Amino acid sequence: DAKTTQPNSMESNEEEPVHLPCNHSTISGTDYIHWYRQLPSQGPEYVIHGLTSNVNNRMASLAIAEDRKSSTLILHRATLRDAAVYYCILETGANNLFFGTGTRLTVIP
Amino acid sequence: EPEVTQTPSHQVTQMGQEVILRCVPISNHLYFYWYRQILGQKVEFLVSFYNNEISEKSEIFDDQFSVERPDGSNFTLKIRSTKLEDSAMYFCASRGRGFHGYTFGSGTRLTVV
Repeated sequence: DAKTTQPNSMESNEEEPVHLPCNHSTISGTDYIHWYRQLPSQGPEYVIHGLTSNVNNRMASLAIAEDRKSSTLILHRATLRDAAVYYCILETGANNLFFGTGTRLTVIP
Repeated sequence: EPEVTQTPSHQVTQMGQEVILRCVPISNHLYFYWYRQILGQKVEFLVSFYNNEISEKSEIFDDQFSVERPDGSNFTLKIRSTKLEDSAMYFCASRGRGFHGYTFGSGTRLTVV
């Protein structure tokens, strides 16, 4: 499985930006970088994905390093509903996702 | 917004019994997946399914497990003879062609007693 490394936990104050880092030094040229989150007692939820360029959608932004060995998920204004486990996952050629342990984000009111 | 629907939300079964977990993927999706999550642990890949056949399966997906897409809308996971260690949340997911994001269902909690 393609490996990613994330901090176990992070905290953010409500309404402040959050930058969730991910290292994926063994990424290959065709691997997509995915981010999913899992709210308590729910299934994983797609957040964003990208290949080389930075990406923005209504939920978040994804900043990908020029060498693609790391990426950062950016939540522009954290809300209490953003408290979840965030997973950074590499989608390999087989198009399957293998989850790691993720980063547990705590949002402080 | 289209959803992946899983039924039942919770199933309790006796050890050794067969269970079938049901999923209705998003209608125009072509790729289907089962994952499981044992309480307090990470989400684990079980199997992927495309074009009416298994594309890839993990070591967890042994002979006790099978998947089927019987009627073009449902996608089922069968566990032939359940064990206590099969107790987990089981998530179904689907993906359309050309878009890499997966849509997950809300899961079925399987409890084997």
